[in-house]
Order: sequence, then C-alpha cells, then structure tokens
Amino acid sequence: AQSVTQPDIHITVSEGASLELRCNYSYGATPYLFWYVQSPGQGLQLLLKYFSGDTLVQGIKGFEAEFKRSQSSFNLRKPSVHWSDAAEYFCAVDTFSGGYNKLIFGAGTRLAVHP
Amino acid sequence: NAGVTQTPKFQVLKTGQSMTLQCAQDMNHEYMSWYRQDPGMGLRLIHYSVGAGITDQGEVPNGYNVSRSTTEDFPLRLLSAAPSQTSVYFCASSKTGGYGYTFGSGTRLTVV
Repeated sequence: AQSVTQPDIHITVSEGASLELRCNYSYGATPYLFWYVQSPGQGLQLLLKYFSGDTLVQGIKGFEAEFKRSQSSFNLRKPSVHWSDAAEYFCAVDTFSGGYNKLIFGAGTRLAVHP
Repeated sequence: NAGVTQTPKFQVLKTGQSMTLQCAQDMNHEYMSWYRQDPGMGLRLIHYSVGAGITDQGEVPNGYNVSRSTTEDFPLRLLSAAPSQTSVYFCASSKTGGYGYTFGSGTRLTVV
C-alpha cells in the first residue's frame, strides 16, 4: 500500500541552525513528491516538488529537498532557519491507482524555532 | 485570480444536522479533492473528482457525499453530522494528476 512516513512529530531548532525534516514513502512506481508548509490557522503552501530529473530540488523560502530512490526518501533541508519558519510541514506523494491520481500525506512534522 | 475558494471558514453544527461545504476554483482544473485534517494524522482524502460528472471515494468517505456538476465547483455534503466529523476540511485542485495541487484556506467544522 502507498504511504508516507514522517518519523519526527516535533522538532525544535535554534534560529540560524540548519534543519532537516525526514520523509520516507512507499510507492511502487516513480513517485511525484511534494513538501507543503502550513502556518497556524492557514492553508497549505507548496514549498517544492519533485517529478523527475535532478534529484536535488530547490523550493521557495530557501528550502531544498533531495530525492533518494534507494532509500525511498525525500528529506527537506534548510541551511539556516528563521523564526518565521515555525510551522507544520507535510510530505506528500502523488500516487496513481485505479486509473486516477491521489495525493497521500504524511502525518506532518511540527517545527518550533527558538530565538 | 482567486485560486481555490472555500466557504464557510468556520461552522458549528449540532449532531444530526446536515450542511454543505462549498469549494470553487477558477483555474479550469480537472482534478478536485476534499481532505480532512486531524491532529497527528496529516490530511486524509475524503472524496475526489477527475472531471465534471466523475467522482470517487478516498480513504475516509463515510458520512460524506460529493457531486461535480461543473468543472469549477465541488461541494462536500454532510448528511447527518456527527462529533467525529469535527475537523478542518481542505479542498484542493490540480490541472492534472501529478501536477501539483492548490489548496483552499480551509473550513473549520465543529459538531456538538
């Protein structure tokens, strides 16, 4: 069955520190992968996406993610975190089954940033 | 360009009441879907549509109905609200499958 696992429910980092949020997926075919961010009380904003090609993808707000097929992972990184990055982050995989595409989300990682 | 518009933003229902959550998009997207978000569970797919007149069930369809009579609109109906349906509901649309999804700002529903 297709699934997305985000092993870390909560992460706390200091402002200026580097960040890595983990994401593992289970999907038999070539995945389309996404990272979304959700600020409190807000909707979801797309940070970046991987469809094919270069396995290191750049997104908005200084984020990047690396697709590793051998590890079924799509980890999100940022070299220096800002206080405004405090939010919840969701990894998602777009699956194709039964003739249709469906987007499957992980449970999310809540990021807190200490000044 | 409004994107995906959801109404209402907040709603309180009594158990057993019915209501419709509205979702409209102005991007001529074929794919539309409804998710519910609950703490610690991420977003779970309720129903989705790949075009006008075509809908199908997602992970958690029980208690919800949908229809898609136009490309623009994809309403979600709760026939008899239950406290377990207290959640935040998001509508999303996409040009085609696998293209990336645009989300609405959500509807926070409380069933008492």
